[in-house]
Amino acid sequence: EVQLVESGGGLVQPGGSLRLSCAASGFTFSTYSMNWVRQTPGKGLEWISYISGTNGTIYYADSVKGRFTISRDNAKNSLYLHMNSLRAEDTGVYYCARDGVFVHLFDPWGQGTLVTVSS
Amino acid sequence: DIQMTQSPSSLSASIGERVTITCRASQSINSYLNWYQQRPGKAPKLLIYTASGLQSGVPSRFSGSGSGTDFTLTISNLQPEDSATYYCQQSYDVPPITFGQGTRLEIK
Repeated sequence: EVQLVESGGGLVQPGGSLRLSCAASGFTFSTYSMNWVRQTPGKGLEWISYISGTNGTIYYADSVKGRFTISRDNAKNSLYLHMNSLRAEDTGVYYCARDGVFVHLFDPWGQGTLVTVSS
Repeated sequence: DIQMTQSPSSLSASIGERVTITCRASQSINSYLNWYQQRPGKAPKLLIYTASGLQSGVPSRFSGSGSGTDFTLTISNLQPEDSATYYCQQSYDVPPITFGQGTRLEIK
């Protein structure tokens, strides 16, 4: 069974940092591109970052560019999101999601991890 | 960036009825349009890919159509478990990958 499990969320002060992890199982992780998508009360579902399987292509949404860093460890079947300079508007549930083979889609999704940025 | 606009924002329908949700792109996206269902407290789930492809395991009551800028998600023979929020998502011109704002469906 294909499964994605996020961890690392929590309460952090504005300006702080957090690292999210996503453990993948049930498929050949290195052959798939991966994404982070968040859900915030104000903006609904928002794609924030993409990383290809092996060739190093990375994209970010403008809202997180320069503050967040996506990475992966194919040997550990793991995806990461390093978040710096966190703001209140970054509060939300963060999901990792596998990309499609031929088109960019999200399937499956993890269960999500809650990030709360507040003093 | 391509903007995705869904209508209506919410709707209510009875068991057995048929409903249609519309998604409009701010420019042509060919057929690069996907639909997701999100039940309360759960992660989104892929229903339809590239406008009309039914994802494996999704009931045939769900169907998608459209191309260019206008797309529809149709749910026939509504069931109680269809109560959820539905999102469209474009993958034609990336980055960024963009979603519609969602349509909340209530089953009476």
